[in-house]
Amino acid sequence: QSALTQPASVSASPGQSITISCTGTSSDVGSYNRVSWYQQHPGKAPKLLVFDVTNRPSGVSNRFSGSKSGNTASLTISGLQAEDEADYYCSSFTSTRIFYVFGTGTKVTVL
Amino acid sequence: EVQLVESGGGFVQPGGSLRLSCAASGFTFSAYEMNWLRQTPGEGLEWVSYINSGDATTYYSDSVKGRFTTSRDNAKNSLYLQMNSLRVEDTAVYYCATKVYGTTYFDYWGQGALVTVSS
Repeated sequence: QSALTQPASVSASPGQSITISCTGTSSDVGSYNRVSWYQQHPGKAPKLLVFDVTNRPSGVSNRFSGSKSGNTASLTISGLQAEDEADYYCSSFTSTRIFYVFGTGTKVTVL
Repeated sequence: EVQLVESGGGFVQPGGSLRLSCAASGFTFSAYEMNWLRQTPGEGLEWVSYINSGDATTYYSDSVKGRFTTSRDNAKNSLYLQMNSLRVEDTAVYYCATKVYGTTYFDYWGQGALVTVSS
């Protein structure tokens, strides 16, 4: 089972919006609305940002939003802030025996 | 406040064993499914194992099946990962994480425990 494909890095200035893509297959992203996104600051544990494609846990800023089309899911961060500088990972439930597959990770840099 | 604290990581030679623990607090541990995941610079995040909240049914990734064993002690609010026949490629930061029944995402994660397998 290959990892989901994400761009290695994305950068933008404060206040701008960015979108991170997460491309999978018909065995994972394309078949299930079970995509989640995690934010990870250096040396810290991942933090759940979005679950089931579009839902945010309580306490997560509405600047983070998720979507999906076909085999590709996306995370959009609007009004980029300095504290958004981190690594972002997508994950999807999969019909394969490993149950969960993660993305390759995207480093977001706030210029 | 939900807290998950891993311990037991360290340095071990190939073929050796190590036992990780995850101490949980701030939530009803017995009601949550629990998972172990690991992260390496090269391979990224990988799901390792799962244990349910009821009859302790477990599932493992193919990469650790037969070598790792997940267990839990609800009376002690603790999760464990017994790792045997360790390989160099098992070197990673290991996280315990919660999962609600019926969902497919990991709500809360511990801070991680580093396991280094090297000769």
